[in-house]
Amino acid sequence: DQQVKQNSPSLSVQEGRISILNCDYTNSMFDYFLWYKKYPAEGPTFLISISSIKDKNEDGRFTVFLNKSAKHLSLHIVPSQPGDSAVYFCAARATYSGAGSYQLTFGKGTKLSVIP
Amino acid sequence: GAGVSQSPSNKVTEKGKDVELRCDPISGHTALYWYRQSLGQGLEFLIYFQGNSAPDKSGLPSDRFSAERTGGSVSTLTIQRTQQEDSAVYLCASSLASDRVYEQYFGPGTRLTVT
Repeated sequence: DQQVKQNSPSLSVQEGRISILNCDYTNSMFDYFLWYKKYPAEGPTFLISISSIKDKNEDGRFTVFLNKSAKHLSLHIVPSQPGDSAVYFCAARATYSGAGSYQLTFGKGTKLSVIP
Repeated sequence: GAGVSQSPSNKVTEKGKDVELRCDPISGHTALYWYRQSLGQGLEFLIYFQGNSAPDKSGLPSDRFSAERTGGSVSTLTIQRTQQEDSAVYLCASSLASDRVYEQYFGPGTRLTVT
């Protein structure tokens, strides 16, 4: 049972345009959401996060939107640059008392290609 | 500064053999995590260390998998009697503390292929 879903395996966007990556989740206990970026042969690197008490978090060209009622979040990259081409993973954390609160649940990733 | 390093970067082994994967976390990071990514899948949590102890081993797929951490630093993930379904990229991450989940720093991974 996949608790974090990224339904688009790939996305192509023209340089300078907006990239929108989507993520859906099923576990209502998730309270923190993260986006990681991964280049080939490298480990994922943290990009941006959002707490469930917020609906938007912005960091430079990157903005994450959270719609709790729809259990949906999205990552917007504006403007997109060729260096943004990578695989983007959505991840979520559920807060439990005791063990488990550190565990991240990842989606399968979306490969973004920004075309010059 | 040095990031998380993992060795080997690639490992090809025959079915039934044992393998050891190594992770060197960032110096000073007390929490260490192992994940694996099978082809076409997201990252799957395996085990987590706080210091040298592993409070949560629930993600280990079977009793063929074990991990240890010594000196609060290096960790080894051991897979005994490897099976073809063990083929995946094994990723290690570390963080300053286990409650700062979003500050997990990942290594480049070890690509394991079981033939």
